[in-house]
Order: sequence, then C-alpha cells, then structure tokens
Amino acid sequence: SYELTQPPSVSVSPGQTARITCSGDALPKKYAYWYQQKSGQAPVLVIYEDSKRPSGIPERFSGSSSGTMATLTISGAQVEDEADYYCYSTDSSGNHGVFGGGTKLTVL
Amino acid sequence: QVQLVQSGAEVKKPGASVKVSCKASGYTFTSYYMHWVRQAPGQGLEWMGIINPSGGSTSYAQKFQGRVTMTRDTSTSTVYMELSSLRSEDTAVYYCVCSATYWGQGTLVTVSS
Repeated sequence: SYELTQPPSVSVSPGQTARITCSGDALPKKYAYWYQQKSGQAPVLVIYEDSKRPSGIPERFSGSSSGTMATLTISGAQVEDEADYYCYSTDSSGNHGVFGGGTKLTVL
Repeated sequence: QVQLVQSGAEVKKPGASVKVSCKASGYTFTSYYMHWVRQAPGQGLEWMGIINPSGGSTSYAQKFQGRVTMTRDTSTSTVYMELSSLRSEDTAVYYCVCSATYWGQGTLVTVSS
C-alpha cells in the first residue's frame, strides 16, 4: 500500500527555521496537506493543497512541494509550535488517503 | 462556522461492533466529503475511509475493507462509521473530518474484555 515518509523528529531553537519533509511517489500529482497536533487535542490544518494557508494560521507556516517531496517550513519557530506534525495525501488513484508517520517538532 | 459533533465514548468487548456518529452543521452537508481517521494511544493518524454525503458513495482503506461501513443521513446532516469484529488493537480515538479541513472532537472507543 501507498506510504508517506516523514522524519520522526526535528529539533530547532526558538527563532530558527524548522523544515519537515514528507516523501511519497504520488506527490508529483497529488496535493499534500499538513496538520499540527498538540498533546491531547484534535489535529489542526496548517497547510492545504501544498502551499495554501488557512485563515488564522500564522504567516510563519508555509508549504512547498517539488517532485516526490513536500515540505512544511516554520520560519522563526516559536515554543508554542512544539507539536506533532502530519502530512496527508492520496494515492495515485485519488481514492485512498494516507498519513505520514508524523514528526515531533521540538523548539527549545 | 463549521461544527462536527461526535457521539460519546464507547466501551466494547472483543468481537462486538461500534457505531460512531458525526453531526455536521454550519455548511451545506452534501457539498463536502467526510473522512474518518483514527489514532491509537500514543500512535499516529490513520486514514480509514471517506464518504460522499451527496450520493453516499464510499472508499475504504484496504486494512478496514469488510469491517467498516460508512453511511450518512442527509435529513439530519449526520454521518456514521461502524466498525465490526472489534479487537483490542481497535482501541483508539476516532475522528470525522470534513473536506480534510474541519475535525470533530473525537470519540474514544475502548475494546476490552
């Protein structure tokens, strides 16, 4: 079955840029979505359709996609950005969704 | 604003079935697909399937084929997810997700003898 691969963890200091990657064979043709999940809470959409930011999401969150890799970038990461981040996309048929394994972002 | 309100926590025995509901409001119910996603304790997100509230068509993750059924009731703007032959590994929080954007509050399903 189709898989999306993320690094298990990323660590940055406050104010630095954090980059979280997501690789998958269908990403050249399918959009990536990114979710932030803080402990004990439901996930929140932070990027949709590769690079679009929902209203209410800070401008420091951005997304890009090139080839088989999508990237979530947090420019000037803040302590409150510490969370698990998941990418989501679909297989090449578009009929089945899949999440990446998640990346724990530490900001300290 | 979009709101998805799910049914309450459930405790089930192995082999039983569970049916979780998700009542939508704040938008045209038939306009957006609804996903179901689960998260086992301490684990990542797992996509289970999707339903088109307009026509009722569904697509399920292969892992759940034959065990999961997603339905909808347009008269009450509610979608349902039923999972059968429950086992301990099905213990998780189950979420409905509208248009890959808006999430319900989650429903904890515990499977224990």
